[in-house]
Amino acid sequence: QSVLTQPPSVSAAPGQKVTISCSGSGSSIEDNYISWYQQVPGTAPKLLIYDNNKRPSGIPDRFSASKSGTSATLDISGLQTGDEAEYYCGTWGISLRTGGVFGGGTKLTVL
Amino acid sequence: VQLVESGGGLVQPGGSLRLSCAASGFTFSDYEMNWLRQAPGKGLEWLSYIGFGSGTIYYADSVKGRFTISRDNAQNSLYLHMKSLRPEDTAVYYCAREATNSSGYYVFDSWGQGTLVTVSS
Repeated sequence: QSVLTQPPSVSAAPGQKVTISCSGSGSSIEDNYISWYQQVPGTAPKLLIYDNNKRPSGIPDRFSASKSGTSATLDISGLQTGDEAEYYCGTWGISLRTGGVFGGGTKLTVL
Repeated sequence: VQLVESGGGLVQPGGSLRLSCAASGFTFSDYEMNWLRQAPGKGLEWLSYIGFGSGTIYYADSVKGRFTISRDNAQNSLYLHMKSLRPEDTAVYYCAREATNSSGYYVFDSWGQGTLVTVSS
């Protein structure tokens, strides 16, 4: 059972903007940094966002994220068919010993 | 940066398997490393962490006592020895590198392509 909760699916048309939410129980989000990963079917996950709102080199600025209190959001603007994928939020548990924790994933469909 | 897993396959319940992850394109000894998995049609599950010099190791409760993580910095390799395997261990197993430019923890900035482990009789 994930300590981070994401909607199972979202959808939008090409060119539009979509928001994916990630809510946490207890202090899992409020006290920690959030990362976001994109997983295109059949491939490994790819880091999209780290430290709540930073993009690794090579990630376009169409991808942005924020965090407020116990919730985080990933925004994808100018949707492209290639953005169709599963998106996961991630952070760490109540201590470093408990390791990384992830949301259940959100399937983005670009209509 | 490249991470290449190997060693997956079909194993009977109760059996053992050793996964390897060959790293290249970066100074392996400068990075903390992890194993994660993804069961068919399911989400991501963190399994184990190993520090730079193997001095610090953590495991998820689901694999503690059955899986052992190790690394060989001279060989640029990460390993996961799995024993007492169960059908619920069936998954794609990924090795992943932790980012060094993050203020947080368990930020995975590079992943291997994964290796499939199937536990079935």
